[in-house]
Amino acid sequence: DTAVSQTPKYLVTQMGNDKSIKCEQNLGHDTMYWYKQDSKKFLKIMFSYNNKELIINETVPNRFSPKSPDKAHLNLHINSLELGDSAVYFCASSQGGNGGGYTGELFFGEGSRLTVL
Amino acid sequence: GIQVEQSPPDLILQEGANSTLRCNFSDSVNNLQWFHQNPWGQLINLFYIPSGTKQNGRLSATTVATERYSLLYISSSQTTDSGVYFCAVASNYGQNFVFGPGTRLSVLP
Repeated sequence: DTAVSQTPKYLVTQMGNDKSIKCEQNLGHDTMYWYKQDSKKFLKIMFSYNNKELIINETVPNRFSPKSPDKAHLNLHINSLELGDSAVYFCASSQGGNGGGYTGELFFGEGSRLTVL
Repeated sequence: GIQVEQSPPDLILQEGANSTLRCNFSDSVNNLQWFHQNPWGQLINLFYIPSGTKQNGRLSATTVATERYSLLYISSSQTTDSGVYFCAVASNYGQNFVFGPGTRLSVLP
């Protein structure tokens, strides 16, 4: 039973389109994250949510809009896709992670590879 | 924010060799993890090790939190160990994990 699952695994789309990536975790964690991995493999935080509340928004363009309907789900919607948005997007979850001095073990989904043509 | 460095950036080994990967961080942490990203892109949890030493088969890790570093040891390396190894830390005051740039390991048969 997959702990952190995200869909779709692959997205190929044209510039200017809008796309969404969905993420679900069944670990009972209270914090979920979106990370972006660029072509040089560097992993950078984009957003985090703790119990549906936005905690981190790391200088990401407004075209990226996360949404957390409940603490087990965190979706990412991207408007007006640009070539530079091509990357692998990873969803992750942990217990804690809200700046309270404790952050539990982080678990990742398998990633969603976005290619913008 | 907290800074994370990893060394070496690249490592090539013959199968059967041993290696040590290092992670340095710039502030106090309440969590440190090592991940292996395999050639298929999956991020696999190796160790959750904010302090102390742990072992799992051929791999072991040690974190010396007071000196702000962690080491990952790989013994008797196999070709399946190839990939990128990431260190990630969560500082005592931060709200997320910060990743190092990774060590790219290639194990040759």
